[in-house]
Amino acid sequence: DTEVTQTPKHLVMGMTNKKSLKCEQHMGHRAMYWYKQKAKKPPELMFVYSYEKLSINESVPSRFSPECPNSSLLNLHLHALQPEDSALYLCASSQDLPGNTDTQYFGPGTRLTVL
Amino acid sequence: GESVGLHLPTLSVQEGDNSIINCAYSNSASDYFIWYKQESGKGPQFIIDIRSNMDKRQGQRVTVLLNKTVKHLSLQIAATQPGDSAVYFCAENEGMADNFNKFYFGSGTKLNVKP
Repeated sequence: DTEVTQTPKHLVMGMTNKKSLKCEQHMGHRAMYWYKQKAKKPPELMFVYSYEKLSINESVPSRFSPECPNSSLLNLHLHALQPEDSALYLCASSQDLPGNTDTQYFGPGTRLTVL
Repeated sequence: GESVGLHLPTLSVQEGDNSIINCAYSNSASDYFIWYKQESGKGPQFIIDIRSNMDKRQGQRVTVLLNKTVKHLSLQIAATQPGDSAVYFCAENEGMADNFNKFYFGSGTKLNVKP
């Protein structure tokens, strides 16, 4: 089973709203990732969690706040977003045992529209 | 049909022909590479991977070739089918850091398969 699930599938929010994106995997992977993908562009890395600790923040604005409640779950809290934040938000996970590079598996994404 | 990746982002081939999608990567230290397929409205789907100690790897109808000398990666799809129509991304990993992978994605090539 190489499934990463994401909810919701679609989200429309206003600039003053607070919402959260959720990601879950049950593959025992210890690294989880958030990517942002604009239309016709490659995924851009936002955050990396390794063993439930934030390891990378790619200079993402503070209106995006990640959270890793446990090794299977990854959230992305959204607040005061701008219309240009509209994109497909992808979650990924990988096994990442020490000293071994490993495949990243992606979820289906959440299509976010900010009005 | 053959693409040059960044310089020809769309590749059109006839059903049944072989397709070649190319990718130039930037970092000579990259030691792991993945090809992803992304259909419209979906997350990237793992196709095949290759480590830097190999120059060729075969899967079902797909072959990945790695030329480290010129930092070039290619994906060959045999007997291309309409279901292969998608955007294809190569991703390179610079190696393990703190127990996680950091992948860099190429700009992608759109494959159109004509029936």
